[in-house]
Amino acid sequence: IQLTQSPSFLSASVGDRVTITCRASQGISSYLAWFQQKPGKAPNLLIYAASTLQSGVPSRFSGSGSGTEFTLTITSLQPEDFATYYCQQLNSYPLTFGGGTKVEIK
Amino acid sequence: QVQLQESGPGLVKPSETLSLTCTVSGGSVNYYYWSWIRQPPGQGLEWIGYIYSSGSTNYNPSLKSRVTMSIDISKDHFSLNLSSVTAADTAVYYCARRDNSGYYSSWGQGTLVTVSS
Repeated sequence: IQLTQSPSFLSASVGDRVTITCRASQGISSYLAWFQQKPGKAPNLLIYAASTLQSGVPSRFSGSGSGTEFTLTITSLQPEDFATYYCQQLNSYPLTFGGGTKVEIK
Repeated sequence: QVQLQESGPGLVKPSETLSLTCTVSGGSVNYYYWSWIRQPPGQGLEWIGYIYSSGSTNYNPSLKSRVTMSIDISKDHFSLNLSSVTAADTAVYYCARRDNSGYYSSWGQGTLVTVSS
């Protein structure tokens, strides 16, 4: 299953609302996760089951969608949110990741 | 809180076998799915496969012919062997645990493996 993220690059300011989209090549129900990755660090799970916030993750992060189209929204972007974001499908093997969305400071 | 730590050579010669171990602390390897995921420099993430504590495995078809995973419950560690490596196998290799929700919430810090003569 191929996952296509858009945009691949995003320039935004602190306080902005940001939306990242992940489209699956076939239906994956709600078996989708979102990760944040900072340079030199392992990915950090933000959202699982498409819309469930992982423990300890700020509530400004939210996820939605099912089937083939999913979104990650960050309300009021904070300085520590500038990073690369990946979606991952866990509906079928092999597990796959989207190509990533890099969020940079405008 | 479970912690994972990858270890192994940082440099492997072309055509040789890449071998890494992930040591688990703060928890047991029993009753979980353990995976290897890699990331070439500046690129995205690729799932290599998993091993369950029973020893059952599932590998990415793109690497299946070259991958072997093993697990040692008594030592709380699991391993990855990737044979016949080329420069395309140069990447940061992560080990990760699929938790009870079914998602990858625990990751090692990653280890860079370079394939070069």
